[in-house]
Amino acid sequence: QVQLKESGPGLVQPSQTLSLTCTVSGLSLTSNSVSWIRQPPGKGLEWMGVIWSNGGTDYNSAIKSRLSISRDTSKSQVFLKMNSLQTEDTAMYFCARNPTGSGFDYWGQGVMVTVSS
Amino acid sequence: DIQMTQSPSLLSASVGDRVTLSCKASQNIYKYLNWYQQKLGEAPKLLIYYTNSLQTGIPSRFSGSGSGTDYTLTISSLQPEDVATYFCQQYNSWPTFGGGTKLELK
Repeated sequence: QVQLKESGPGLVQPSQTLSLTCTVSGLSLTSNSVSWIRQPPGKGLEWMGVIWSNGGTDYNSAIKSRLSISRDTSKSQVFLKMNSLQTEDTAMYFCARNPTGSGFDYWGQGVMVTVSS
Repeated sequence: DIQMTQSPSLLSASVGDRVTLSCKASQNIYKYLNWYQQKLGEAPKLLIYYTNSLQTGIPSRFSGSGSGTDYTLTISSLQPEDVATYFCQQYNSWPTFGGGTKLELK
């Protein structure tokens, strides 16, 4: 069955870089697109960006200058890197499958990231 | 960016009630609208895609409708397990989400 699982540090210092990994199983990254979505505590959802099945990427314009999404298809992993972190980047970070013409149908459990010194 | 506004932000209803949640887009999104249910401590779950298509495994008491800028999620008979926060999301352009409607039991 399709599964996604996020991993990464729970605590990041302000101004530092966040690195997260989404490990997928039950699907191929060469025929599936994966998005990163985040949710600050008690707040709504924000789409961050997507890596398409062809390896191309698109980003939320609000954070585009700080964000990079990449993948290693051989390891079935998608990576998120975001620099210059601030306290407002404290959130639960999710990866989710992003099929064309539908919604985000499979989600990881999420990883909580706190930005604090 | 397309802004999505959900109303109400909090809704109290009784088991068995018919419940309607609203979502309004800042411009025409041509039915490219999804609905998600998020229970406390869990990832969101896709309920409805493309306005009115029921995701596999979702109970038929959930339905969606709408067009243009105005969309609705209806629960025909509220069950205790439906207590959650519901989000709409448009994908006519880069995805954006509504602020959510928290549904609680009266």
